[in-house]
Amino acid sequence: DGGITQSPKYLFRKEGQNVTLSCEQNLNHDAMYWYRQDPGQGLRLIYYSQIVNDFQKGDIAEGYSVSREKKESFPLTVTSAQKNPTAFYLCASSIAWDRGYEQYFGPGTRLTVT
Amino acid sequence: DAKTTQPPSMDCAEGRAANLPCNHSTISGNEYVYWYRQIHSQGPQYIIHGLKNNETNEMASLIITEDRKSSTLILPHATLRDTAVYYCIVSPRNFGNEKLTFGTGTRLTIIP
Repeated sequence: DGGITQSPKYLFRKEGQNVTLSCEQNLNHDAMYWYRQDPGQGLRLIYYSQIVNDFQKGDIAEGYSVSREKKESFPLTVTSAQKNPTAFYLCASSIAWDRGYEQYFGPGTRLTVT
Repeated sequence: DAKTTQPPSMDCAEGRAANLPCNHSTISGNEYVYWYRQIHSQGPQYIIHGLKNNETNEMASLIITEDRKSSTLILPHATLRDTAVYYCIVSPRNFGNEKLTFGTGTRLTIIP
């Protein structure tokens, strides 16, 4: 049963702590993406990776970092430098970068920082 | 600078066809129209896309006007599970430096 998994579904952290969100896919997709969604808003792209060992900043990369050491995994670290980290984080993948119009999304992680 | 305009919300009776409009008057020749939906607190789901011809799949139909300045997503027999936010997105098919830009979409509520 192929898909994208994100864990945990809900995550709580204290301000000043770094936190890493997990994203795993078994779809054999080359490209992966991280988005952030705030209440009542659309999605904003944080980072994307066209292929393993490569990643690029999206529209709102400040305060975030990623790695892509394996094709299946694209973890996102929310650092203490991110001023407003509380949000719904969505990971997605597409079969290839030039098929990025058809993205498959995970269920999301809702991060709350207090 | 939004490329698409959608109504913020719509209602539709269960079992009826839901017709969701989207204006994209500045669409360029190499840009496709894509539709996604997002059920509450879940990740978005790809529905359909098209360039200029009408398209149909198991989920929906997409009608694009001849001048390509607007389109309509049609859910032929809406069910309660179709309640979601629907996003209309315009983007080139080959990505390069382009990315999917999700606006605020249309919140569709299916009424029993």
